[in-house]
Amino acid sequence: DIVMTQTPSSQAVSAGEKVTMSCKSSQSLLYSENKKNYLAWYQQKPGQSPKLLISWASTRESGVPDRFIGSGSGTDFTLTISSVQAEDLAVYYCEQYYDTPPTFGSGTKLEIK
Amino acid sequence: QVQLKESGPGLVQPSQTLSLTCTVSGLSLTSNSVSWIRQPPGKGLEWMGVIWSNGGTDYNSAIKSRLSISRDTSKSQVFLKMNSLQTEDTAMYFCARTRGNFDYWGQGVMVTVSS
Repeated sequence: DIVMTQTPSSQAVSAGEKVTMSCKSSQSLLYSENKKNYLAWYQQKPGQSPKLLISWASTRESGVPDRFIGSGSGTDFTLTISSVQAEDLAVYYCEQYYDTPPTFGSGTKLEIK
Repeated sequence: QVQLKESGPGLVQPSQTLSLTCTVSGLSLTSNSVSWIRQPPGKGLEWMGVIWSNGGTDYNSAIKSRLSISRDTSKSQVFLKMNSLQTEDTAMYFCARTRGNFDYWGQGVMVTVSS
């Protein structure tokens, strides 16, 4: 199975600050034939089910604010929130769907100071 | 709009079988795939298995021997059955539409394994 490693496990930032979080995979998620990275990011707010934010490493889902930016390729990926808002309090998970079984990282918990 | 909703017992005794139902609306199961994903309290997400739009299934090898996923397309329902439950199976169980990633999720159903 592909192992997904997320860092940090938690971080606290003030509203308006920029935050970045990392996701690394144990093997490349880049499919050579279509040049796509099979990597998604999810946001899970307290007491809610996860919400898909970003697919294909960098494509925002409809309705997701443009302050959420996904980047990276191969085995190293980053989720950036350009200006954190109070409502961004959540745990963020990355997921690879390059191979079965799909696997998730352990999450980065974002806290607002 | 697409909706998924899980239902089932909140409490299951150890060694018993868990049966959950995912009722979907706004999509057809013959052209969409649905996965089951679980989350123990305070922990991360674990993919359990999928029923593909063609009716085929794939399971997480860690629980494959205990798990079965099926569907009734006429009722727009997907079923999960897992036997030999243990306390470590206590979790929130979600169903989600699957396109590689998971773009629509149900609200989840909490299952506690306890005597």
